[in-house]
Amino acid sequence: QLQLRESGPGLVKPSETLSLTCTVSGGSLDTTNYFWVWVRQPPRKGLEWIGTIFYTGATYFNPSLRSRVAMSIDLSNNRFSLSLNSVTAADTAFYYCARLGIPAAGTDEALDVWGQGTLVTVSS
Amino acid sequence: SYDLTQPPSVSVSPGQTASITCFGDKLGDTFTCWYQQKPGQSPVVVIYENDKRPSGIPARFAASISGNTATLTISETQALDEADYYCQAWDSSTIIFGGGTKLTVL
Repeated sequence: QLQLRESGPGLVKPSETLSLTCTVSGGSLDTTNYFWVWVRQPPRKGLEWIGTIFYTGATYFNPSLRSRVAMSIDLSNNRFSLSLNSVTAADTAFYYCARLGIPAAGTDEALDVWGQGTLVTVSS
Repeated sequence: SYDLTQPPSVSVSPGQTASITCFGDKLGDTFTCWYQQKPGQSPVVVIYENDKRPSGIPARFAASISGNTATLTISETQALDEADYYCQAWDSSTIIFGGGTKLTVL
């Protein structure tokens, strides 16, 4: 059974870089059947897509965050990462990683497996 | 990208049918999904590819699309259905979420 787990600092200072890792167990990131996604949710607010990465390293980012976001994938350790620079209090949120199916690959087009989420607070 | 608009809240009596709408200019051009999120938990997909239910999701959950509006319908609503519900679609390679609807079962 596939599981995703986010990890990283829970507190980041303003203007610094937020870095999170999503470790996958029970399945492989090295697949043509799925994308891998980061989503965030400020406390008591809605969901916001951050970006998507494929096993090849190809990425797609939310236009509103594109200038500050980077994502990478580490197939040997079965994990992918998020980096968000120049953070402010507005970046305080629960950060989730998730799996996205690809219909052309025969998988369901949905974010069908989510991590438990990790709260990152931006504060000095 | 474009916006997906949901009502902030919907109320329903136990045993009745709840309907949650999602409006977007380009809905229908791509698949729509619906997610349920209970307090303190991660979202769970309840509908994918417009109207399909994942295994384990009760048949009480259904969805449809008409023009630019997607609708999630929960029949015979139960107290355990009380949650936030989010619609989600695509615009090219970007993922878009609606603002979410808080379903209250009174």
